[in-house]
Amino acid sequence: DAKTTQPNSMESNEEEPVHLPCNHSTISGTDYIHWYRQLPSQGPEYVIHGLTSNVNNRMASLAIAEDRKSSTLILHRATLRDAAVYYCIPTMEYGNKLVFGAGTILRVKS
Amino acid sequence: DAMVIQNPRYQVTQFGKPVTLSCSQTLNHNVMYWYQQKSSQAPKLLFHYYDKDFNNEADTPDNFQSRRPNTSFCFLDIRSPGLGDAAMYLCATSRPGPYEQYFGPGTRLTVT
Repeated sequence: DAKTTQPNSMESNEEEPVHLPCNHSTISGTDYIHWYRQLPSQGPEYVIHGLTSNVNNRMASLAIAEDRKSSTLILHRATLRDAAVYYCIPTMEYGNKLVFGAGTILRVKS
Repeated sequence: DAMVIQNPRYQVTQFGKPVTLSCSQTLNHNVMYWYQQKSSQAPKLLFHYYDKDFNNEADTPDNFQSRRPNTSFCFLDIRSPGLGDAAMYLCATSRPGPYEQYFGPGTRLTVT
């Protein structure tokens, strides 16, 4: 399993963009990069995933470095509801396993 | 809405008394997972089913078993719960491959 490094915590102001970084230098060429988040007292929630190209969906954007050794999850306008633990998880092309690291605790200030 | 349902949401059991947690899904996904999440830790995969094929993680204790009688249901059996098994147990489902997993709300297990 590829190892990931994420900041322990980050803080953002409401209505401002947030960039959550993740280093995954041991990722293999066919590993996807998934992001999940977990709000307090809830199960994890899928946010976004990608392989090589940048990806956008209604929740967030994912920017993947050209060498794929790092990625950044972008929340365009943070809300209080976005306060959660964010996990960056490489997954194998034909695999389903999620190996969660420590993640980043995102705090959003009003 | 299609979803992953876990019952009960809270379960209290006595030390050594077998307990079963249940999970059902309306997504018709082939793959179902069980994760354990202890306080202030990240979720940890215990095992998963791909249809009826059971895949155990190497470090999952023998005390934990699972059954999947059909596509919709999956059960987690803890044969002799210890105090260290107190945790949130999360069920998830997905299609095969690198697709998103859908998690249930979890069952919080307390062992007295």
